[in-house]
Amino acid sequence: EVHLLESGGSLVQPGGSLRLSCLGSGFTFSDYAMAWVRQAPGKGLEWVSTVLYGDGGTLYADSVKGRFTISRDNSKNTMYLQMSSLRADDTAVYFCVKDSRAYCGGECYYAYWGQGTLVTVSS
Amino acid sequence: DVQMTQSPSAMSASVGDSVTITCRASQGVSNYLAWFQEKPGKVPKRLIYGASTLESGVPSRFSGSGSGTEFTLTISSLQPEDFATYYCLQHNSYPRTFGQGTKVEIK
Repeated sequence: EVHLLESGGSLVQPGGSLRLSCLGSGFTFSDYAMAWVRQAPGKGLEWVSTVLYGDGGTLYADSVKGRFTISRDNSKNTMYLQMSSLRADDTAVYFCVKDSRAYCGGECYYAYWGQGTLVTVSS
Repeated sequence: DVQMTQSPSAMSASVGDSVTITCRASQGVSNYLAWFQEKPGKVPKRLIYGASTLESGVPSRFSGSGSGTEFTLTISSLQPEDFATYYCLQHNSYPRTFGQGTKVEIK
């Protein structure tokens, strides 16, 4: 059974930094791209970043580019999101999401989500 | 970037009603379109992938259609447990983009 467990969310001051982690189990972690999606209080879903399988290429939403860094450690089945220069509008629940792998169709995309971890940016 | 315009943003409906939610993409996304249901305090749940394929275990009253730039999610006979917020997601290109969401409320 696929399981995604996020950790690292907390209260942080504006301008501060935080690192989120996502531990994956129940699947071959290294074969899959992984993503972060966030949801601000009372708002919709927003894709934040994806780290690809293979060469581990990275992609970012414009809203976080240059401030957030996504990475993965396949030996630990873990994905990370290093967040810096945090702003009040980064306040959200951050979900870890299993993305797709090579030669897989639509069934592979965004089927599995973690429970989320809350990041609150406030002084 | 592909903009996903979802409508309506909210709707009121009664148990047994048929409801349709629409997502329009600013550019073609083929059939790389998924629909999600979200309930308060819960994790988003994928209902439909590939624009029209029903997720295993999802009731058959849910259906999806469309390709290219226009997509619909239909709930044929609304049940009490279907009152929730629904989102579309295009995963044809980056950045991935969600629709703004449709809140389905009880009339």
